[in-house]
Amino acid sequence: EAQVTQNPRYLITVTGKKLTVTCSQNMNHEYMSWYRQDPGLGLRQIYYSMNVEVTDKGDVPEGYKVSRKEKRNFPLILESPSPNQTSLYFCASRARNSYEQYFGPGTRLTVT
Amino acid sequence: AQTVTQSQPEMSVQEAETVTLSCTYDTSESDYYLFWYKQPPSRQMILVIRQEAYKQQNATENRFSVNFQKAAKSFSLKISDSQLGDAAMYFCAYRSASGGSEKLVFGKGTKLTVNP
Repeated sequence: EAQVTQNPRYLITVTGKKLTVTCSQNMNHEYMSWYRQDPGLGLRQIYYSMNVEVTDKGDVPEGYKVSRKEKRNFPLILESPSPNQTSLYFCASRARNSYEQYFGPGTRLTVT
Repeated sequence: AQTVTQSQPEMSVQEAETVTLSCTYDTSESDYYLFWYKQPPSRQMILVIRQEAYKQQNATENRFSVNFQKAAKSFSLKISDSQLGDAAMYFCAYRSASGGSEKLVFGKGTKLTVNP
């Protein structure tokens, strides 16, 4: 089944404790992105990648890191999480010659 | 920078009726794509419909259609014969068609309630 998977789905952590949210797609898509969703703000793009070892900032990259060492994986790293990073996070992927983005199921992160 | 505005935080419609959700955007580009996404309570993001800016014909997908007014930078979604399963958050989104960027800009969303 074609899909984008994210882990964990739910995470509660404390300020300053490094964490990684994994994202993997099995569709051989070139493009991958991370978004955060906050009430009243919609979805905002954090980072995106157009190929292995090629990443670029979205609209809200501060406090986040990403890497794209393999085509299928695009982890989101929070080196020192803060409470304002409490949010719902989505990973998405798209084939270069396609319009449609496939979204993962979302990761609910709470930073206390 | 491109922006997308959804001016209706909430809308409601009676089952079997028609509802229109508004979206406006700001861009200096001439070639781009516009999308409507649906997010039901399950949180899954589902693509409803897309429109290429170079196409004058409005896109349609079954009960969903758009009214794309390029000069006015308007992209509204019309849902006909509304069903209870249409209740969800709806997001309008913009993406440039120029190569070299995967930036996707979303509006803040409209919560649609369908009344039986």
